[in-house]
Amino acid sequence: SQKIEQNSEALNIQEGKTATLTCNYTNYSPAYLQWYRQDPGRGPVFLLLIRENEKEKRKERLKVTFDTTLKQSLFHITASQPADSATYLCALSGGSNYKLTFGKGTLLTVNP
Amino acid sequence: GAGVSQSPSNKVTEKGKDVELRCDPISGHTALYWYRQSLGQGLEFLIYFQGNSAPDKSGLPSDRFSAERTGGSVSTLTIQRTQQEDSAVYLCASSYQMSANTEAFFGQGTRLTVV
Repeated sequence: SQKIEQNSEALNIQEGKTATLTCNYTNYSPAYLQWYRQDPGRGPVFLLLIRENEKEKRKERLKVTFDTTLKQSLFHITASQPADSATYLCALSGGSNYKLTFGKGTLLTVNP
Repeated sequence: GAGVSQSPSNKVTEKGKDVELRCDPISGHTALYWYRQSLGQGLEFLIYFQGNSAPDKSGLPSDRFSAERTGGSVSTLTIQRTQQEDSAVYLCASSYQMSANTEAFFGQGTRLTVV
């Protein structure tokens, strides 16, 4: 069955450092991969989308990579700030299955 | 409204009662999702509506759960004979196109507590 794993349940880093979050998947050939941010008590908010034929996507301090051979996406936040502290979720979709399937998320804490 | 609206924001119900959760998607969005999120867990897919196609109900955990979407807009998720394990946050999301490459916009969720 399809499986999405976000390797770290929690990640703590120091302000100013780069945070790197991992999303791995199995038994899936997604055409698109998305990253969302979720704050406590709120619904997820879309951050970035990357297509299977794209290797990298950037938006301000955010960078996403997508390696369909390794079946992995990396999500980077450079020059991290305490305000970046949140849970980050990856989600996959593809083909005729438009359904978004989410990983369990990684709780990122950026310490001042 | 500007975003996806869910009501109620909180619901406490007694075990065995039926509940209805409502979702108002963003106007013009053709796709609508329901997810469930238990404390500290990821999003569990429940059901997906896209346009006039038959909904994808593959995530509904039991026949106590059902959902409908009237007129391609408002959706209602109904849980019959609620159980304590149904306690969770129920999230609704909508997206603009019936394709896999568009972002989903989420509501703030309905926190359901079954006592």
